[in-house]
Amino acid sequence: ETGVTQSPTHLIKTRGQQVTLRCSSQSGHNTVSWYQQALGQGPQFIFQYYREEENGRGNFPPRFSGLQFPNYSSELNVNALELDDSALYLCASSENLAKNIQYFGAGTRLSVL
Amino acid sequence: AQKITQTQPGMFVQEKEAVTLDCTYDTSDPSYGLFWYKQPSSGEMIFLIYQGSYDQQNATEGRYSLNFQKARKSANLVISASQLGDSAMYFCAMRDPGGSGNTGKLIFGQGTTLQVKP
Repeated sequence: ETGVTQSPTHLIKTRGQQVTLRCSSQSGHNTVSWYQQALGQGPQFIFQYYREEENGRGNFPPRFSGLQFPNYSSELNVNALELDDSALYLCASSENLAKNIQYFGAGTRLSVL
Repeated sequence: AQKITQTQPGMFVQEKEAVTLDCTYDTSDPSYGLFWYKQPSSGEMIFLIYQGSYDQQNATEGRYSLNFQKARKSANLVISASQLGDSAMYFCAMRDPGGSGNTGKLIFGQGTTLQVKP
């Protein structure tokens, strides 16, 4: 059974650019959640995808968007990058909504210059 | 609003000793779940242990146990026989029972950095 994998591991962008982060969920998991973790803070919920539909969103602006594919992998897209978007972006998958033990990947560290 | 509080920014423990990491939570919902995760410097958030609000027994997983005191709204993590590899950031989290779409999103505390001394 493979775990949650995220790519890339590190990324450097400049302000105003767009970025796409990718996540492969753990085998058998149909739910993917994305979190943003600023340095020295706990992760903050961005949104969740369940069976290819967005299923809840945290307090993030619309320039944060996502997708989930039929194989349950997912993408996080951020447009018009701002300096404050610099953070560790974590993806987590869970078996379904009821069994909500979320298993995380190693994250993508995004730096916006 | 649901909230998790971890009041210990940093903790030290001697190798092979036990350590308790504190966590208090605030929710008005009778049904909730509490989690502990470990985050090494590599960044991956590793699931350690889960406690449901209706569970009668305290959860245990190997060297990890959760001291669940519902009336006090606390869910402290106890690590027995600390090892050098236990040095990491530890996060307490609560599954948000409300919100839209029944996401079960996790609300995290600020974390506690644990350093194990040889």
